[in-house]
Amino acid sequence: GAVVSQHPSWVICKSGTSVKIECRSLDFQATTMFWYRQFPKQSLMLMATSNEGSKATYEQGVEKDKFLINHASLTLSTLTVTSAHPEDSSFYICSAAGTSGRGTYNEQFFGPGTRLTVL
Amino acid sequence: LAKTTQPISMDSYEGQEVNITCSHNNIATNDYITWYQQFPSQGPRFIIQGYKTKVTNEVASLFIPADRKSSTLSLPRVSLSDTAVYYCLVARMDSSYKLIFGSGTRLLVRP
Repeated sequence: GAVVSQHPSWVICKSGTSVKIECRSLDFQATTMFWYRQFPKQSLMLMATSNEGSKATYEQGVEKDKFLINHASLTLSTLTVTSAHPEDSSFYICSAAGTSGRGTYNEQFFGPGTRLTVL
Repeated sequence: LAKTTQPISMDSYEGQEVNITCSHNNIATNDYITWYQQFPSQGPRFIIQGYKTKVTNEVASLFIPADRKSSTLSLPRVSLSDTAVYYCLVARMDSSYKLIFGSGTRLLVRP
């Protein structure tokens, strides 16, 4: 099946620094990628939709200047958390939309997630 | 996007069949129903997707009545490793496609 990877799997940084998270679709081309954030014991919250070669579409309440998303190729999207603060500590998950050949429509393949801890 | 409602949690025992029902009263014509499974500290994993009637794959079945206002995920003979959170999602299969996750159902399978 389709594989999506994320790097790094975890990161610890100091408050005020920026952190970049990479999301790659390994065996298929993803026109659309998504970024989610998940706090402990909570559901996934969609942050933004990223289309290759165009600006990301952010969900309401998500600061586009704080969470910079770049989708420069069909296999790579990056999320940069700028000037991170402790409240940005969370589990960040990306996904890529595609089809698996199982007769589904627009199935999302999720990455393993990145645990960000801001001290 | 159609809002989904599902039980917060369910308990079961190994070997039993588990049915998780999700309501989506305002589902639209172009919407498909998809279920995902998530283990702690992992990304969600696709389980099954359907539009109407019944869909079955190697891990689960999905029952969708004619009015499509609800759906039931059926897991046959669960094992301890099926303990996870299960999300029911409704999404439009067009250029506006995106997934909005609800609270999910936390399934606990006991020995």
